[in-house]
Amino acid sequence: AQSVTQPDIHITVSEGASLELRCNYSYGATPYLFWYVQSPGQGLQLLLKYFSGDTLVQGIKGFEAEFKRSQSSFNLRKPSVHWSDAAEYFCAVVFMKTSYDKVIFGPGTSLSVIP
Amino acid sequence: EAGVAQSPRYKIIEKRQSVAFWCNPISGHATLYWYQQILGQGPKLLIQFQNNGVVDDSQLPKDRFSAERLKGVDSTLKIQPAKLEDSAVYLCASSLRGQVGETQYFGPGTRLLVL
Repeated sequence: AQSVTQPDIHITVSEGASLELRCNYSYGATPYLFWYVQSPGQGLQLLLKYFSGDTLVQGIKGFEAEFKRSQSSFNLRKPSVHWSDAAEYFCAVVFMKTSYDKVIFGPGTSLSVIP
Repeated sequence: EAGVAQSPRYKIIEKRQSVAFWCNPISGHATLYWYQQILGQGPKLLIQFQNNGVVDDSQLPKDRFSAERLKGVDSTLKIQPAKLEDSAVYLCASSLRGQVGETQYFGPGTRLLVL
């Protein structure tokens, strides 16, 4: 069955430090991959997405993600974290069904930033 | 451009009562989604509409949940009767055509507490 895992429930980093959030999926083919951010009391905002082509994808707010087919991973990175990046981050995967596409979200990783 | 609107923002009810949520998607968006996000989990798709037709409702508990999008614009999600485990944030999202990998735009959500 298709699934999405985010191994880290909560991560704390210092402001200015680098960040990597992990995402792994289980699927027989290459899915469509997304990262969303959810700030307290806010709806989800799309950071970036991957469909095909270059496996390193650039997104908004200085985020990037790298697709690694051999590891079934799509990890999110940021070289220098800002206090405003504290939020919940969700990896999402779209699996293609015969007549429609099914989106599955991971459980999320909560990011805290220490000043 | 106005975003996805949802109301109410918060709702507290007792178990076995009924409740309804409303969503107005971005103008011109054909596809509308309802998600349930339980605390500490990622959003789970409940139902997806393409215009006023249902594309996927495989995870909608149909014995108590119902949703409609009569004119292919705004939508309501109803729970009757509510159970304690229905306490969650209900997110509405829309996309332009519902094509694979298309960006979904999320509303702020309705936070439901069932006592």
